[in-house]
Amino acid sequence: EDQVTQSPEALRLQEGESSSLNCSYTVSGLRGLFWYRQDPGKGPEFLFTLYSAGEEKEKERLKATLTKKESFLHITAPKPEDSATYLCAVQAEGTYKYIFGTGTRLKVLA
Amino acid sequence: NAGVTQTPKFQVLKTGQSMTLQCAQDMNHNSMYWYRQDPGMGLRLIYYSASEGTTDKGEVPNGYNVSRLNKREFSLRLESAAPSQTSVYFCASSKPGTSVYEQYFGPGTRLTVT
Repeated sequence: EDQVTQSPEALRLQEGESSSLNCSYTVSGLRGLFWYRQDPGKGPEFLFTLYSAGEEKEKERLKATLTKKESFLHITAPKPEDSATYLCAVQAEGTYKYIFGTGTRLKVLA
Repeated sequence: NAGVTQTPKFQVLKTGQSMTLQCAQDMNHNSMYWYRQDPGMGLRLIYYSASEGTTDKGEVPNGYNVSRLNKREFSLRLESAAPSQTSVYFCASSKPGTSVYEQYFGPGTRLTVT
């Protein structure tokens, strides 16, 4: 069964304290892995798409990486405005559907 | 360019009442999706429409119906609301479903069924 697991569920960081969020997946043929940011009371906002193992993408303080079993979202020197829930999703080959993890709630303290 | 819009933003229903959630996108996307988001459960797919004229069930379709009215609009109907349908509902759209394209989400509808 296709599955996505994110860890940790919640993470508190001091401003400037770098860390990583994990997304482990089991899928019968990966078509794409997606990272989203969700602020309270809002819809998820697209961040990155990764297609194959070894791929990396960066945006400001965020860098996403992909292996055959998991993806990491690295946050370098975070700021309070990076506080949000980060969601990971996968799309399997031969399907239109996306499977989402339950997310990591990140809080960055000033 | 408004992206994905949803109406209403908030709704309170009594058990047994019906309602339709509206979704529209102006990005010329072919595929559209309805999700519900509950604490600790993540986003779960209710129904999706790979292209205009087609709809398919997702993970949790029971108690819901959908209509793909045209390429822009995709509505979700609750025929007889139940307290278990209290949730936040998100509509999303993406480019042609045969390729890997990210989904773009609306702001959500917060539904409470009493």
